Amino acid sequence: DTAVSQTPKYLVTQMGNDKSIKCEQNLGHDTMYWYKQDSKKFLKIMFSYNNKELIINETVPNRFSPKSPDKAHLNLHINSLELGDSAVYFCASSQGLPDSYEQYFGPGTRLTVT
Amino acid sequence: KNQVEQSPQSLIILEGKNCTLQCNYTVSPFSNLRWYKQDTGRGPVSLTIMTFSENTKSNGRYTATLDADTKQSSLHITASQLSDSASYICVVSARTGRRALTFGSGTRLQVQP
Repeated sequence: DTAVSQTPKYLVTQMGNDKSIKCEQNLGHDTMYWYKQDSKKFLKIMFSYNNKELIINETVPNRFSPKSPDKAHLNLHINSLELGDSAVYFCASSQGLPDSYEQYFGPGTRLTVT
Repeated sequence: KNQVEQSPQSLIILEGKNCTLQCNYTVSPFSNLRWYKQDTGRGPVSLTIMTFSENTKSNGRYTATLDADTKQSSLHITASQLSDSASYICVVSARTGRRALTFGSGTRLQVQP
């Protein structure tokens, strides 16, 4: 069984469109994350939710909005997509707060904005 | 500013050989250090997690060391296999409760037959 799953795996869209990426974890974890990995392979944290509460919100444009309907799901909605949004987006989860617990990553969603 | 630097950026070795990857950090106050393996097109997978009091930890052919005094860590891979070809990412956590995971840019390892 997949521990952390993301859909879609690939997403190709045009500038200006709005898109969503979904994430689900079946590990029973309390904390979920969204990361962005750029072309240089740097992983940068975007958001983190603990028990549906936003606990990390890095310097991310307002066009990005996370939504956590329950502890097992953390979706990422992106408005007015720009070329610079092209990257691989990873969802992750951990049992507790990020500085103490191991994180489990999803397979990633490759977003290409044309 | 918290930083994690890894070296080398990339490395090519022959199958069966050993190699060592380096990680230097300036994260403070230190909580733990993790090494992740990321295969191409996949998410990172945890190899080891070390706290301040641990100076070595093994996971099969992977052995991580930590020197908290010099703020250095290394990941040693023994008897490399083709499947070891991946990026290896060092991640350091600060003891600040809710946040502060600082990622290195990774070392890209290629194992050739």
